[in-house]
Amino acid sequence: DAKTTQPTSMDCAEGRAANLPCNHSTISGNEYVYWYRQIHSQGPQYIIHGLKNNETNEMASLIITEDRKSSTLILPHATLRDTAVYYCIVRVPNYGQNFVFGPGTRLSVLP
Amino acid sequence: GAVVSQHPSWVICKSGTSVKIECRSLDFQATTMFWYRQFPKQSLMLMATSNEGSKATYEQGVEKDKFLINHASLTLSTLTVTSAHPEDSSFYICSAAPGTGGNEGYTFGSGTRLTVV
Repeated sequence: DAKTTQPTSMDCAEGRAANLPCNHSTISGNEYVYWYRQIHSQGPQYIIHGLKNNETNEMASLIITEDRKSSTLILPHATLRDTAVYYCIVRVPNYGQNFVFGPGTRLSVLP
Repeated sequence: GAVVSQHPSWVICKSGTSVKIECRSLDFQATTMFWYRQFPKQSLMLMATSNEGSKATYEQGVEKDKFLINHASLTLSTLTVTSAHPEDSSFYICSAAPGTGGNEGYTFGSGTRLTVV
């Protein structure tokens, strides 16, 4: 699976959009981009995933650049409960293959 | 959506005793489940891959005789930490792969905080 690079930490004001970047310059054509988050002392929570088109669900939007070498997770109106570590993972969706977690980005939503 | 239940959420045990952690897929069948370990301020590290009806596959450096994994049904995998020691204190998390074989993400349990005293 391709390696990803994320900033170590970010701050965001409550109510504002949180934009979390992820670089995956070695991504291959059949690898998807997945985003998870982990709130303190809980298991990771799935947020969103995509291949090349932008995706949106009730939690967030995923913007993938045209060359697919980077992506941005957007939380449109961050709340204090969005404070968590956010993981960007690139992988081929092979059944039975685990998700490999890097250090992620620690997002702090400030009041 | 897919739900994975992990139990207990926390446990304290004495050195030398064994602890069993359960991971259940509540509304789907999971041929494959994964066990991770997370130390403070670190990311999740895969310990083993659990396959229903067969032996688990352990990652390098993980002692299979110490961390016993049983995946006896399509909805239940258990991790038993045998002869636990303080260095085994950690956050243990399971994950289950839905059996559809698609590109959806996997569901994770809420984790088990193990403290060995």
